[in-house]
Amino acid sequence: GAGVSQTPSNKVTEKGKYVELRCDPISGHTALYWYRQSLGQGPEFLIYFQGTGAADDSGLPNDRFFAVRPEGSVSTLKIQRTERGDSAVYLCASSLRASSSYNEQFFGPGTRLTVL
Amino acid sequence: LAKTTQPISMDSYEGQEVNITCSHNNIATNDYITWYQQFPSQGPRFIIQGYKTKVTNEVASLFIPADRKSSTLSLPRVSLSDTAVYYCLAGTGAGSYQLTFGKGTKLSVIP
Repeated sequence: GAGVSQTPSNKVTEKGKYVELRCDPISGHTALYWYRQSLGQGPEFLIYFQGTGAADDSGLPNDRFFAVRPEGSVSTLKIQRTERGDSAVYLCASSLRASSSYNEQFFGPGTRLTVL
Repeated sequence: LAKTTQPISMDSYEGQEVNITCSHNNIATNDYITWYQQFPSQGPRFIIQGYKTKVTNEVASLFIPADRKSSTLSLPRVSLSDTAVYYCLAGTGAGSYQLTFGKGTKLSVIP
């Protein structure tokens, strides 16, 4: 079956612009996660959705970052007034559910964001 | 979430067995140990998870001693395609939605 897909694969924008990054999780997965990965580092947690609601957004760096999942499937990560420090690969992952002793997260290929 | 420590990099020749050890001295009673693999330009991929003793699947084995303060990921007979970054994570299995990655171990397989 299809895995997690993310669009676009690459996004180049100018400082101060607004960007949206999209994630299509695996069908039937109720839990969805966003991570950010900088060069040479491991992924860093941003936000987690269980269904339509953001169950934990403690990893969002500031209020320029916002994510939605209105129908419990596709999610969009939105970044306002982008800064050069926002440049990174943004990874999306999904899992069947989060409240399980076996929580394998399936990751998408990521969106590489470059802020000039 | 327990802090994990693993080597920054390792080299191995094709066909050899590779063992990557991870330290997690402060692991909690209900923490599981999970390993992910990441190839360039891809998201991480789950390899294996365990709680104690030994777990084996078609890809790797995971050895966890009785004190659970460390674990070893074993990759049998590596090939060039096993060149990747391997991450060790230690956290609660139940309800563990927030994966905490360190810098991982960059494994380079040499022909």
